[in-house]
Amino acid sequence: DGGITQSPKYLFRKEGQNVTLSCEQNLNHDAMYWYRQDPGQGLRLIYYSQIVNDFQKGDIAEGYSVSREKKESFPLTVTSAQKNPTAFYLCASSDEVGTGELFFGEGSRLTVL
Amino acid sequence: AQKITQTQPGMFVQEKEAVTLDCTYDTSDPSYGLFWYKQPSSGEMIFLIYQGSYDQQNATEGRYSLNFQKARKSANLVISASQLGDSAMYFCAMILLTYYGGSQGNLIFGKGTKLSVKP
Repeated sequence: DGGITQSPKYLFRKEGQNVTLSCEQNLNHDAMYWYRQDPGQGLRLIYYSQIVNDFQKGDIAEGYSVSREKKESFPLTVTSAQKNPTAFYLCASSDEVGTGELFFGEGSRLTVL
Repeated sequence: AQKITQTQPGMFVQEKEAVTLDCTYDTSDPSYGLFWYKQPSSGEMIFLIYQGSYDQQNATEGRYSLNFQKARKSANLVISASQLGDSAMYFCAMILLTYYGGSQGNLIFGKGTKLSVKP
């Protein structure tokens, strides 16, 4: 079935460690996104990518990095520079950047101990 | 700057009854699109319905309808005949569009409303 797969679903890390969240899609979508969701808050855009080897910062990119080496993959690295990394992270894709009908993965919950 | 406001942090509805989830938006741009997404406890966001600012009629998708009042800048979601499976978080979102309907920027989300359906 077509869709977006995020892994791991739950992740724990110690302070000062980098961690990479995986996002893979088989929808043949050009655009991919990473959002952060905190309790009681809406989604905030971290990074997005329109095409392979190209990506742009969203509203809260500080402390995060991404790569887009393949169309179907858009991994997110939460670096030690991110001051408050404990959150729920959602990956999404769409036919083209900016369209509102996004297809989301099931999310990854990161907890920093 | 654009903004989406959802004033109801939580709502309860009896099974089989209708419920309205409120959403107001703020933009000076005349061309935009409005969306509703559902987020069950599994975490995945599910697209429900879309309304364009120039659409003459309110959008409907099965049991979901969008009560679009442009002058009031509101885009309330109406769920008819609520089911237990409707219990979830619901997010309103907006995207700006060009005059020709292409998108500008990215989706802006509200903080969400948690809907609980009682049996």
